[in-house]
Amino acid sequence: KNEVEQSPQNLTAQEGEFITINCSYSVGISALHWLQQHPGGGIVSLFMLSSGKKKHGRLIATINIQEKHSSLHITASHPRDSAVYICAVSKGANFGNEKLTFGTGTRLTIIP
Amino acid sequence: DAGVIQSPRHEVTEMGQEVTLRCKPISGHNSLFWYRQTMMRGLELLIYFNNNVPIDDSGMPEDRFSAKMPNASFSTLKIQPSEPRDSAVYFCASSRARWIGNSPLHFGNGTRLTVT
Repeated sequence: KNEVEQSPQNLTAQEGEFITINCSYSVGISALHWLQQHPGGGIVSLFMLSSGKKKHGRLIATINIQEKHSSLHITASHPRDSAVYICAVSKGANFGNEKLTFGTGTRLTIIP
Repeated sequence: DAGVIQSPRHEVTEMGQEVTLRCKPISGHNSLFWYRQTMMRGLELLIYFNNNVPIDDSGMPEDRFSAKMPNASFSTLKIQPSEPRDSAVYFCASSRARWIGNSPLHFGNGTRLTVT
């Protein structure tokens, strides 16, 4: 079983819909990262969080440490949000803080 | 800020040839990471440097892979000899901090390597 699991693997929605992508992990972590990879291939770090909630524009990321679960929400989705969203965790101090373990990604397609 | 700069963007080579991928991290960042992305395995860490020193190369798949960071502004990933299974997108990323829990990663645009 992968240490980081994402769901769904693929998601297609209409423009304007509220989007939720989930990430569950099975190890102790120091932080969780949400990354965005556009069709051109470039990867952008969206959020890094270790507790609570962060918001940037239409994007919201939450994490529940006790449940080992994080969600990425997109409000008022737009076709330009179409991308692969990747969850990654940096493990606790005992396991090497320097390394990220990646989920397999969620491919989001927003239809106009 | 120019971001992390990788070159070349695309590389097509024949099996057995030497391949060198290059990376210039963001100025002031003291950690540099090389990742490989494939359809089958997703993103994998190959090696990372802190203050130009290799800290962990346990992700390097074989002795055919080597990486260097001669100074704070330049790193190379070399594959010699290359094999078709090395075909992937190779990403370089840099960070201000060694501890990924403290500072986000900044990725380059990647080098798409095709070995025929």
